[in-house]
Formats: sequence, structure tokens, C-alpha cells
Amino acid sequence: QVQLQESGPGLVKPSETLSLTCSVSGGSISTYCWSWIRQPAGKGLECIGRVCLGGSTSYNPSLKSRVTMSVDASKNQFSLKLTSVTAADTALYYCARVVVTSESDRFDPWGQGTLVTVSS
Amino acid sequence: SYVLTQPPSVSVAPGQTARLTCGGNNIGRKSVHWYQQRPGQAPVLVVYDDSDRPSEIPARFSGSNSGNTATLTISRVEAGDEADYYCQVWDNDSDHSVFGGGTKLTVL
Repeated sequence: QVQLQESGPGLVKPSETLSLTCSVSGGSISTYCWSWIRQPAGKGLECIGRVCLGGSTSYNPSLKSRVTMSVDASKNQFSLKLTSVTAADTALYYCARVVVTSESDRFDPWGQGTLVTVSS
Repeated sequence: SYVLTQPPSVSVAPGQTARLTCGGNNIGRKSVHWYQQRPGQAPVLVVYDDSDRPSEIPARFSGSNSGNTATLTISRVEAGDEADYYCQVWDNDSDHSVFGGGTKLTVL
């Protein structure tokens, strides 16, 4: 079965760029689209966006100007870059596989999440 | 952006039925997915496309969707069902997924 694992720095300075990678095992990254979702401590889920092989992306309008997602099929990985971070970007960041249908996206499965803190 | 509204908390005794709601404008026209997030764990998909279940999810979990309200129903509630539950839809207007604020299910 497919498993996902997030990796990246746990601490990022304000105004700098947050960079995370999600490694996919147990399946090919080429078959699906992939998403990043975040959750501030004690709060709800927020979808950051999704990326599909071939480069097509869809980002949350509230974050679109700061987000870039990409896929590296040779490594079976996909990545997130979020620029100009502030304390408001402190959260648990999850990666997830996206099942895309004509009606909707759904997320299954999810990685375990990685905590990113924005602080000087 | 499309807004999904969930009650912050629902409490139910073991063995009883829990009904968790997710409100949205004409949500009955959308496909709704539900996730369970136990404390300290990643979310898990429990219902998709309004009422379908992944094979590993017990039949006690069911869903419905009509009008302005989608509902996740958990029958014969167990202590292990205590978790946060989130609904999610795709917003065609803004081309991204939206989550509800989540409902904390407490098993008394």
C-alpha cells in the first residue's frame, strides 16, 4: 500500500522560504495527483494545493502568490515551497495522495505530518 | 470561497448513534468526503462521495447528503471513535478543496 513521508526543516526564519518534500513508497507517483495540507496547532485543516505529473497545479487562492509545488518522478517525490513566511505559517504540514474525479478531489492516504515553526 | 459549517462538538454515549453535520450552500449538489482525526494522528478518510466507504472502514460509518446539509452517521459508537471529524468538498469556483472547521466527537 502507498505510504507518504514528509521531510524538511522544522524551523524557518520569518521572511524566508519553507521547503518540504514528500517521499512516496509502495506505488508510482505518476498515477495520481498530490497535495499539501496544513493544520495550525489546535485548529482545522487547510488545503494548500495540489500538483499532478506534467506540472499542472491548483493552489489555494489565499496562498497562491507564495506557493510552488512540483513533482520529481525520478525520485518518487513531490515538494512544496512557500515563500515569505510569517508566524501565521507555523503548522503541522501533511502531504497526501489525491484521488481526482469529475466531481471532486479526495485525500487518501496521508503522511504522518511534519511540524514547521516560523521563528527567528 | 465556499464555506462549510460544522458544529464544534458532539457528545454521545457508547452504543448510541452520532450524527455529525456539515452545512453548505446547496451542498447536496457536491460530493462530500469525511475524515477522522484521532488525537496526535493524521486524518483518515472514512466516507467519500457522500456515502461510500473505503474497504477498511467499518459499516458503522455512513453518510448522506441533501439540500444544504451533509451528515456523517456513526452507529453503535465506541470509545475508539472519539476524534475530530472534518468534511471536505471541491470548490469549483475557486478550483481548490475546502474543509469544514471540524467537529470534536466525545464519547461519554
